[in-house]
Formats: sequence, C-alpha cells, structure tokens
Amino acid sequence: GAVVSQHPSWVICKSGTSVKIECRSLDFQATTMFWYRQFPKQSLMLMATSNEGSKATYEQGVEKDKFLINHASLTLSTLTVTSAHPEDSSFYICSARFGLAGGPSSNEQFFGPGTRLTVL
Amino acid sequence: AQSVTQLDSQVPVFEEAPVELRCNYSSSVSVYLFWYVQYPNQGLQLLLKYLSGSTLVKGINGFEAEFNKSQTSFHLRKPSVHISDTAEYFCAVSRKNDYKLSFGAGTTVTVRA
Repeated sequence: GAVVSQHPSWVICKSGTSVKIECRSLDFQATTMFWYRQFPKQSLMLMATSNEGSKATYEQGVEKDKFLINHASLTLSTLTVTSAHPEDSSFYICSARFGLAGGPSSNEQFFGPGTRLTVL
Repeated sequence: AQSVTQLDSQVPVFEEAPVELRCNYSSSVSVYLFWYVQYPNQGLQLLLKYLSGSTLVKGINGFEAEFNKSQTSFHLRKPSVHISDTAEYFCAVSRKNDYKLSFGAGTTVTVRA
C-alpha cells in the first residue's frame, strides 16, 4: 500500500517551453502533497506544500509563477514548470501524506519515484 | 526552524562489516525523525522512523536507529552490510504540527566485496 507514482519519469524539453509533472497517490487519499527538487549529489529541497482544494504554499526563494502547483483532487497534484530554462534541469520528487479532513492522518510521507527534467 | 546534520558525506565499508551513519538535528519544537534510502535515479524509500516511545527503532533490511534526545542524535546502524546496501541515505526531521520534512545532506554508502 501507500504507492505514489509520477509521470513522466523523465522529460527533455526545449528552453522556453512548459512542462507538467503529475504526482498521484494510487491507493490512498492525500490531503497534502509535497514537491521537492534535488540537484545531482545533493539533498532534497522542499519547494512547496500542496493542499487539496487550496493554493499551494511555497518555500522561501521558490517562484510561484515559475512553478505552478495544482492539487485538484485527493489523489493528484501537478507541478508545471513554466518557460523552462536549462537551470531548471533537475530531479523533481513528490510525496504524499495520507489524510482526510476531520479523519485519521499519517505522519509519514510516501515518495514518488521522481521525474528527471532536462531543459536544452 | 529545524536543521539536520549528517556528519559523514561518504562511508566506504566492506561487505558483512557493520556500518553506522551519524545524524544530529536541532529543533525548537518536538519532531519526528526518519531515515530514507535512495538508489540511483529513484525516489526515497523509508527505512525507519521515530515518532515516540522506545528510543531504539528497527526498520527494514536489518537497519536500526537510536534516538538520543539529550544528544539530539538519531544514528543509523546495520550490523552486517550487503553489496545491495550501496546507496544514498538521508536523515530527515519533521515538525509534529506541519509534517514538513527537512533533510540532511545525505551519506553515500559504498559497500565493497
């Protein structure tokens, strides 16, 4: 149980185009999803917290107009990298936390397999 | 805010030898503690977690960790490693009220025959 998928697993795009990455919780409902960015041989940096039905909360230094996050349902969050540039090339990882409004929730995050973005 | 320090960036170890990965944290509030493993080009897999209760936590693949509140540490150990344990290991903490994870810089474990 507690499987999180990401699509695509890798993507190559031209500079100036936009790329959408999907994060799905396959067997549980997630009120909260998190988006991380990981540069080669570095740790994960939290970009934003996505709550179903509300606006995402971005970490300091992350451009919300650059990285658009939508959490339209309890099982799907999307990250759109707009007008991508080579410096946006990175490994993007999402995670999901089990939880229902007013109900039981999990203190653990379940991670997706990541999406490798390369901007040419 | 909380922070995590992994004291060893790289740990080479021979197969069947023990390994310890050190993790210290700082936080002004109560936290949960986690160890994750990441294999190349993959996401993170939870090894173990400390939420409350017994300070010795056992996880998957023979790993265990001990929470030491006075030393604010959460060191990870395995008594006998395998080649397949070669990976990147991350220590992380999250506040109990918002579940945001802060990660350490990671420790690369390389197991040699």
